[in-house]
Amino acid sequence: KQEVTQIPAALSVPEGENLVLNCSFTDSAIYNLQWFRQDPGKGLTSLLLIQSSQREQTSGRLNASLDKSSGRSTLYIAASQPGDSATYLCAVGSGGGADGLTFGKGTHLIIQP
Amino acid sequence: EAGVAQSPRYKIIEKRQSVAFWCNPISGHATLYWYQQILGQGPKLLIQFQNNGVVDDSQLPKDRFSAERLKGVDSTLKIQPAKLEDSAVYLCASSLGTGRGYTFGSGTRLTVV
Repeated sequence: KQEVTQIPAALSVPEGENLVLNCSFTDSAIYNLQWFRQDPGKGLTSLLLIQSSQREQTSGRLNASLDKSSGRSTLYIAASQPGDSATYLCAVGSGGGADGLTFGKGTHLIIQP
Repeated sequence: EAGVAQSPRYKIIEKRQSVAFWCNPISGHATLYWYQQILGQGPKLLIQFQNNGVVDDSQLPKDRFSAERLKGVDSTLKIQPAKLEDSAVYLCASSLGTGRGYTFGSGTRLTVV
């Protein structure tokens, strides 16, 4: 059974810092990995989708890497802003017909102005 | 494009009552998912539909939960009878297909008292 762990559980940093969120998964036979953002009382917003054949994806100030063999992914946020404050969730997909995602518990991020 | 629509946004019921949630996916998205997110946890897949057929319902508590997707578009998720531990946010998501990425709705927050 796939298990996804996110470290740290919570993080508070001053505005402008670069930061790294970590995600690990137990079964390396994944189809893809996604990073989501969740704001309080809201649904999930997809940030980056990495296919199993890819090593990284970039969108603006966000960069996500994937190392399938070691079961790890990192989300790098450059020049953090208060608007980046949210919970960040990592999720892995197993592919095939049943491609539901397995999520970690998330990292609660606070960027101090 | 319009997002994934869910209703109601909030629901409070007493234990042993029944409740139903509704989801309208993005037009053309054949795959629809229901997730349960308990406070402080990542979302957990309950059921996946491909058009109007069930692909994966292995984590659906079938003694009290049921779901349907008539005509391969809208979907309803029902709980009968509800228990205190069913208090959670119920998220609906849709996708064009495997590996194509997800779009989540804003969710329905259920409180069972």
